[in-house]
Amino acid sequence: QITLKESGPTLVKPTQTLTLTCTFSGFSLSTITVAVGWIRQPPGKALEWLALIYWDDDKRYSPSLKSRLTITKDTSKNQVVLTMTNMDPVDTATYYCARYTSDSFDYWGQGTLVTVSS
Amino acid sequence: DIQMTQSPSTLSASVGDRVTITCRASQSISDWLAWYQQKPGKVPKLLIYKASSLASGVPSRFSGSGSGTHGTEFTLTISSLQPDDFATYYCQQYNSFGPGTKVDIK
Repeated sequence: QITLKESGPTLVKPTQTLTLTCTFSGFSLSTITVAVGWIRQPPGKALEWLALIYWDDDKRYSPSLKSRLTITKDTSKNQVVLTMTNMDPVDTATYYCARYTSDSFDYWGQGTLVTVSS
Repeated sequence: DIQMTQSPSTLSASVGDRVTITCRASQSISDWLAWYQQKPGKVPKLLIYKASSLASGVPSRFSGSGSGTHGTEFTLTISSLQPDDFATYYCQQYNSFGPGTKVDIK
């Protein structure tokens, strides 16, 4: 059974750095062609792709957010961590992690709502 | 960057209707396209991958096609709309999601 779960703060202040952890089970991030990505969704708005990390540690970022994002993995712990610097109220959203294979996100975490407010 | 557009943005339909949603890419993307269904307050669910492959457990009334003459136009079709299908549908190509199409009750 494949599961993913996001964890991290629910409230951050403007200018702070957000750190989110995705803990997964049922698959390995050392398997060829597998990746884990982060996607966010502001309330009432569309999905937005943020970042992706592949089994070989190749990393890809949203061009518009690249300067603020860092994605890393700990294969031994089955975890992927996303950091986003300089948080702003417009970054308020539900943040999802998901497994990426066959050019699609086939398993998703439940999502975690992050609110940016002073 | 490749931009994704969807049409229509909202679609009103009745149970039993055949529904088609279109997704267009700003440049050729071969068959690297996925479709997701999202209900309010729920996690997106993969429906179609590689433009026309049905994800595991997805009813056969859902189908995908594309990539058009230039690899830029794709469609999601629901052959007979069911009450459980009223939701928002997103297309996705690698690092870009479409803006979504909301299917609501006519």
